[in-house]
Amino acid sequence: DSGVTQTPKHLITATGQRVTLRCSPRSGDLSVYWYQQSLDQGLQFLIHYYNGEERAKGNILERFSAQQFPDLHSELNLSSLELGDSALYFCASSDASSALSSQETQYFGPGTRLLVL
Amino acid sequence: AQKVTQAQTEISVVEKEDVTLDCVYETRDTTYYLFWYKQPPSGELVFLIRRNSFDEQNEISGRYSWNFQKSTSSFNFTITASQVVDSAVYFCALSGYQAGTALIFGKGTTLSVSS
Repeated sequence: DSGVTQTPKHLITATGQRVTLRCSPRSGDLSVYWYQQSLDQGLQFLIHYYNGEERAKGNILERFSAQQFPDLHSELNLSSLELGDSALYFCASSDASSALSSQETQYFGPGTRLLVL
Repeated sequence: AQKVTQAQTEISVVEKEDVTLDCVYETRDTTYYLFWYKQPPSGELVFLIRRNSFDEQNEISGRYSWNFQKSTSSFNFTITASQVVDSAVYFCALSGYQAGTALIFGKGTTLSVSS
């Protein structure tokens, strides 16, 4: 158990809908990363937050957005869902002691498996 | 551009065999980190090891060992005396040295260990 929690574990929805995925980082971790794992694209970085601020964006679609709240939990919002958005979405939190620290390992949550029908 | 290549898509071995998973990376950075993660059938990603680019010492942890060779840009992972519980997808990943940089993952190697 990494200490990172994600809810829900599974989500089934229809095209055009909107869903919210939730992540709670390990106690004390300020960084949260979101990744998408799909069969064709593999594991891809979506977005990174540090202590409530967006720090970096990867291959995140405009239909997707995220935020990190004062209690450090994060939410990934996916809207206007398409069949191709079906994937496993991971949240990871990091043990970096500051935003500029060079020591960092990302610990992953169990993932949310999204199926868009 | 940064890239991680895991050329072995699938490997099948019988219990107690040794197996090596290959990882080759590309980066223009002079300092960076390399990682291995395990994804068992249950789906979670489990951290196995982090190695920084200026430490080329091999590392051993129980039945696991890692061989980092900067000259060939490789970071290979060997499981000695494999067990059925080792069956999983193994990912090699690369990140920049500064915190806040995303992991660049390889496509993964699926290891199947049969009894």
